Amino acid sequence: DQQVKQNSPSLSVQEGRISILNCDYTNSMFDYFLWYKKYPAEGPTFLISISSIKDKNEDGRFTVFLNKSAKHLSLHIVPSQPGDSAVYFCAAILPTQGGSEKLVFGKGTKLTVNP
Amino acid sequence: ETGVTQSPTHLIKTRGQQVTLRCSSQSGHNTVSWYQQALGQGPQFIFQYYREEENGRGNFPPRFSGLQFPNYSSELNVNALELDDSALYLCASSLVGHLYGYTFGSGTRLTVV
Repeated sequence: DQQVKQNSPSLSVQEGRISILNCDYTNSMFDYFLWYKKYPAEGPTFLISISSIKDKNEDGRFTVFLNKSAKHLSLHIVPSQPGDSAVYFCAAILPTQGGSEKLVFGKGTKLTVNP
Repeated sequence: ETGVTQSPTHLIKTRGQQVTLRCSSQSGHNTVSWYQQALGQGPQFIFQYYREEENGRGNFPPRFSGLQFPNYSSELNVNALELDDSALYLCASSLVGHLYGYTFGSGTRLTVV
């Protein structure tokens, strides 16, 4: 049961244009979301996060939007650069039975930014 | 400040064998989590260790086990390897209560033949 869904396996955009990566979730218990970027042969690196009490968070070229009623997030990258080419994972924080918390990831979207 | 290091980077094992993967956490971090990323999938939570004890586990069978040492480094052990265990295994360290401060290692690519 995929609780975090990234329905677009890949996305290709031109340098300088906007990249929009989408993520849907099913679990209403999620209250904190993160985006990670992953280059080949490297581990995921944290990009930006958003709490459910907000609907927008910005960090430089990266903005995450949250629509709780639609259970939908999107990551906007403006302007896109070739170095942004990577796999982007949407993740949500979920408590575990042991009292810790875990990340629940989507399958990822491979972004290619063409020069 | 050192990051998370994992060893080995790659290994090949035969079905039925046992494997141990190692992880050194980032300086100052006291919690270690392990994730399995199968091909074409997102990382899936295996378990988390804090104060040398498992304090959270995902939907993985008991043949997946782990350890955390006093220096916060960790091991992931998998017994009776199956072909479906072939995956990238990611270790992530964090400071308890700061989940968004996860630092991931580059992973160990395990192939079971």
